[in-house]
Amino acid sequence: GAVVSQHPSRVICKSGTSVKIECRSLDFQATTMFWYRQFPKKSLMLMATSNEGSKATYEQGVEKDKFLINHASLTLSTLTVTSAHPEDSSFYICSARSGGKGETQYFGPGTRLLVL
Amino acid sequence: GENVEQHPSTLSVQEGDSAVIKCTYSDSASNYFPWYKQELGKRPQLIIDIRSNVGEKKDQRIAVTLNKTAKHFSLHITETQPEDSAVYFCAASKGNAGNMLTFGGGTRLMVKP
Repeated sequence: GAVVSQHPSRVICKSGTSVKIECRSLDFQATTMFWYRQFPKKSLMLMATSNEGSKATYEQGVEKDKFLINHASLTLSTLTVTSAHPEDSSFYICSARSGGKGETQYFGPGTRLLVL
Repeated sequence: GENVEQHPSTLSVQEGDSAVIKCTYSDSASNYFPWYKQELGKRPQLIIDIRSNVGEKKDQRIAVTLNKTAKHFSLHITETQPEDSAVYFCAASKGNAGNMLTFGGGTRLMVKP
């Protein structure tokens, strides 16, 4: 159990376009999902916490208008990188945790974004 | 907020030897400490976790110890194998619903055959 999928796995786009990344919990309901960014050979940097049915909580320094998060259901959260620029190129990973007292986060396979 | 420090950043061991990775945390309210293994280009995989009500937990070749007083916890891998080579991340959280994980900087473990 506890499978999280992410789509797409990789995307190449032109500068100025928007890219949507989906994160799904396949076999459990996730009241909370998290979006991370990971640079090469670096740790995971939390970007925002996504709560079903409410606004996401963004970490300091993360532009909420740049990285739009929507958590419309208990199994789906989306991250949209708006007006992407080359510096947005990175590995984006989501994680999901179940409701109640569940602390364990299960990670998606990640999305590698390359902005040309 | 919470700050998690992880050492060493790289660790090279001979196959069959043990490997130890150490983490310290700053927030005494943290009570949940997972360890993740990440292979190149792949997702982090939970390998073991420990809660603050226990001092040690073991799962086959992997063990984690926790010292709440000193605010540090360690990952121990015995009889290392080449397939243990990966980046390992420790993390800490307060464990309540919705609370986030704070990750350490990661340790790149290389097991030489």
